[in-house]
Amino acid sequence: QVQLVQSGAEVKKPGASVKVSCKTSGYTFTNYGINWVRQSPRQGLEWMGWINPSNGNTNYAQKFQDRVTMTTDTSTSTAYMELRTLMSDDTAVYYCARDVQWRVLEWVRYLDPWGQGTLVTVSS
Amino acid sequence: EIVLTQSPGTLSLSPGERATLSCRASQTVSSNFLIWYQQKPGQSPRLLIYGASSRSTGIPDRFSGSGSGTDFTLTISRLEPEDFAVYYCQQCGHSPPCTFGQGTKLEIK
Repeated sequence: QVQLVQSGAEVKKPGASVKVSCKTSGYTFTNYGINWVRQSPRQGLEWMGWINPSNGNTNYAQKFQDRVTMTTDTSTSTAYMELRTLMSDDTAVYYCARDVQWRVLEWVRYLDPWGQGTLVTVSS
Repeated sequence: EIVLTQSPGTLSLSPGERATLSCRASQTVSSNFLIWYQQKPGQSPRLLIYGASSRSTGIPDRFSGSGSGTDFTLTISRLEPEDFAVYYCQQCGHSPPCTFGQGTKLEIK
């Protein structure tokens, strides 16, 4: 079955960087994009961006454009999300989710499945 | 950016009752790209409905989605105990960004 397994919880100081991994299995990694979404009590669910593992193309949300880098390693079917210059407001659970797009008569798109989430805590 | 507003914020109902959850967009959303998720405490979001009205694999038929344009609805026809959770709508088309609603918490009355 399709699985996305994320790396463990992180504690970081303000100004530091964090890199979260998302190891996939059960499907052809390069056939689907990977989205990154974070969730905090204050901001709810926030879409951070998307990467196409087949060519490395990315789309980042404007809010994170200057601080985020999404990459993939096709040899291990793993996606990575690095967020720099962390602030306390970046404390959240970070999720990866497979991007599914297909067309019968018209295109549809959805995120499925999601990884288990990685808690990133930013605190001095 | 398309803003999605969900209502009500909290819905208190009893098992067996019908739940109607609303998702309103700040501008027209293609039905193809309107999605509903369910999230239970301590779990990741789970896909329920895509294309505004198509149930994901394994989702019971008591869940249904409808709507078009700027107004979308998730209906649960007869609530089961396991349906009490938070529900999110999302729009995610070919033009970024994807956005989420703030969620509706469905709680047991």
